[in-house]
Amino acid sequence: EIVMTQSPATVSVSPGERAILSCRASQSISNKLAWYQHKRGQAPRLLIYGASTRATGIPARFSGSGSGTEFTLIINSLQSEDFTVYYCQQHYNWPLTFGGGTKVEIK
Amino acid sequence: QVQLVESGGGVVHPGGSLRLSCVASGFTFSTYSIHWVRQAPGKGLEWVGVASFEGVVKKYADSVQGRFTLSKDNSKNTVSLQMSNLRSEDTAVYFCAKEFNEHQWYFDYWGQGALVTVAS
Repeated sequence: EIVMTQSPATVSVSPGERAILSCRASQSISNKLAWYQHKRGQAPRLLIYGASTRATGIPARFSGSGSGTEFTLIINSLQSEDFTVYYCQQHYNWPLTFGGGTKVEIK
Repeated sequence: QVQLVESGGGVVHPGGSLRLSCVASGFTFSTYSIHWVRQAPGKGLEWVGVASFEGVVKKYADSVQGRFTLSKDNSKNTVSLQMSNLRSEDTAVYFCAKEFNEHQWYFDYWGQGALVTVAS
């Protein structure tokens, strides 16, 4: 099983600033990485797939990068609705696995 | 628009059984695999299993293998998750999710979730 590790667990950022979230895979997953935003009580929302491709309707302030074992999600100009939890997920092989999540909180 | 709606959640005793359903609309159900993902209280997301687009191939997480069974009925746009021998650690919100495309194992649409509580 591929273990996905996200860091930091919590990041404190002021509105309008940038948040940088990291995700590490225990083995190479090429570019098979997705990012989700998950607000409490709601369905998770696909942000990024293939490490860097934004899903339909996702604002350009969300960007993903990386390959192999190291990946990054950058959220520029944080808006109020962006303060929530983010998960990475490898879609390289079975079983599919998620990281533990990073909470983006208001500084 | 695409919709996935889970139902069947509730409270069950350890060792008991429960059946969750996921009804889909707004897309050609028979051409997409459907996954289940769960979130235990205060925890992250955990993939549970998948039923392939035609309903023939099923895969499960090790944590539920042998206890959970998936079925997909393309005539009813429904995927069911039969859960047996439930344990306290199965307590979670269970989401069904549509696979983006064949062999692209990420999820572009999710349901709102169904809460399963396993407690005595």
